[in-house]
Amino acid sequence: KNQVEQSPQSLIILEGKNCTLQCNYTVSPFSNLRWYKQDTGRGPVSLTIMTFSENTKSNGRYTATLDADTKQSSLHITASQLSDSASYICVVSLSSGTYKYIFGTGTRLKVLA
Amino acid sequence: NAGVTQTPKFRILKIGQSMTLQCAQDMNHNYMYWYRQDPGMGLKLIYYSVGAGITDKGEVPNGYNVSRSTTEDFPLRLELAAPSQTSVYFCASSGGEAQYSYEQYFGPGTRLTVT
Repeated sequence: KNQVEQSPQSLIILEGKNCTLQCNYTVSPFSNLRWYKQDTGRGPVSLTIMTFSENTKSNGRYTATLDADTKQSSLHITASQLSDSASYICVVSLSSGTYKYIFGTGTRLKVLA
Repeated sequence: NAGVTQTPKFRILKIGQSMTLQCAQDMNHNYMYWYRQDPGMGLKLIYYSVGAGITDKGEVPNGYNVSRSTTEDFPLRLELAAPSQTSVYFCASSGGEAQYSYEQYFGPGTRLTVT
C-alpha cells in the first residue's frame, strides 16, 4: 500500500533555532517528492520538488534532502522565524496509477518568541 | 494573477441539503483537483480533471459530483449533505502531470460543516 509517514506529529521550538522534519515513504513507482507549507486556514504552498536523482534542494532557509535508497526525506529549517509556524506536508508523486499524489499527514510546527 | 480561487470560504449545511463549491483558476492549467482534508489526515482526492469535458473519480468520490465545462472552472457539487462530509475542501490546479514535476497550486479552501 502506498503510504507517506511524517514525524514528529508536532514540534515546538524557540525562534532562531533549527529543526528537522522527517518523511518516510513506501510508494511505487516513485516519481518525485514535494514539501509543502500550510499556514492555518490556508491552502498548501510548495516549498521544494525533488526527483529521484536529486538528493538536496534549498529554498531560502528551507533545505530538503532525499535518500531514494532508504525512501526517506527530511526538511531542515534554519534560523526559524515566527512565520515558520505552520504545518509541513510531505507529498510523493507516482509515475503511474490513478492517484498520482500521496499526501502525508503533516508535522505541525510552532515557533515561540 | 489571482491563482486558484474558491468560494465560499465557510458554509454550514443541514443534513440533506445540497450545495456547489466553486473553484476557478486563471493560469490556463489543464489539470484540476478537488481534495478534502480531515483533522489529522492527509489530503484525499475526491475528483480530478485533465481538461475541459474530462473528469474522473479519485479516492473518495461518493456523495460528490463535478463538471468541467471550461478550462477555468471546476465546481464540486454535494448532493444530500451528510455529517461525514464535514471537512475542509481544497481545489488545486497544475500545468501538467505529477510525474513531470509540475507545481500544484492550491486555493484557500472552503470549510464546510454539516449538522
